[in-house]
Amino acid sequence: GENVEQHPSTLSVQEGDSAVIKCTYSDSASNYFPWYKQELGKGPQLIIDIRSNVGEKKDQRIAVTLNKTAKHFSLHITETQPEDSAVYFCAAEHRQAGTALIFGKGTTLSVSS
Amino acid sequence: DTGVSQDPRHKITKRGQNVTFRCDPISEHNRLYWYRQTLGQGPEFLTYFQNEAQLEKSRLLSDRFSAERPKGSFSTLEIQRTEQGDSAMYLCASSLVQEDTIYFGEGSWLTVV
Repeated sequence: GENVEQHPSTLSVQEGDSAVIKCTYSDSASNYFPWYKQELGKGPQLIIDIRSNVGEKKDQRIAVTLNKTAKHFSLHITETQPEDSAVYFCAAEHRQAGTALIFGKGTTLSVSS
Repeated sequence: DTGVSQDPRHKITKRGQNVTFRCDPISEHNRLYWYRQTLGQGPEFLTYFQNEAQLEKSRLLSDRFSAERPKGSFSTLEIQRTEQGDSAMYLCASSLVQEDTIYFGEGSWLTVV
């Protein structure tokens, strides 16, 4: 089955700096890779996703890149703000196979002003 | 707001008691998922339904756990003879079969004392 590794587990940056979180996956058949943001006491909220037929996707300050050959994908947050502080999770899924989303263990991002 | 709704949000129970959580998915979403999340970890897949059919169950779903979705709308997750190790947040999520995005609820916190 799918296994997702996420690094780093914690990340501290200054406001305005960039933050990068990296994930690797094991199942080459996985074709859908979302990123979720989770604030304390709340459920995960989707912030961006990428499908295997695309190498990069951007939405304002957030971008995700995917390298299918190496089986890794990354989240990039530019111009970080204190409200970006949260736990971020990557996940992988083989959508058409009807398999479930498998999550990494999360990265706690702290943005200090 | 017609997002994924979970009830109760918090439950404290004594070891050995049974507990039941309810999830109301987003209207017309035909897939419904249950995940468990412990502190410092990513969500772990438990089971999912497509309409009324339970299509996949994780090995984490022991015999004491049972999930139902009788009419293909709301779902219940019951834990019998609770143990302290069952203490966690139980997350429900839903999606449309033809779309990638999976939406999570705010979770139901379980504390077994």
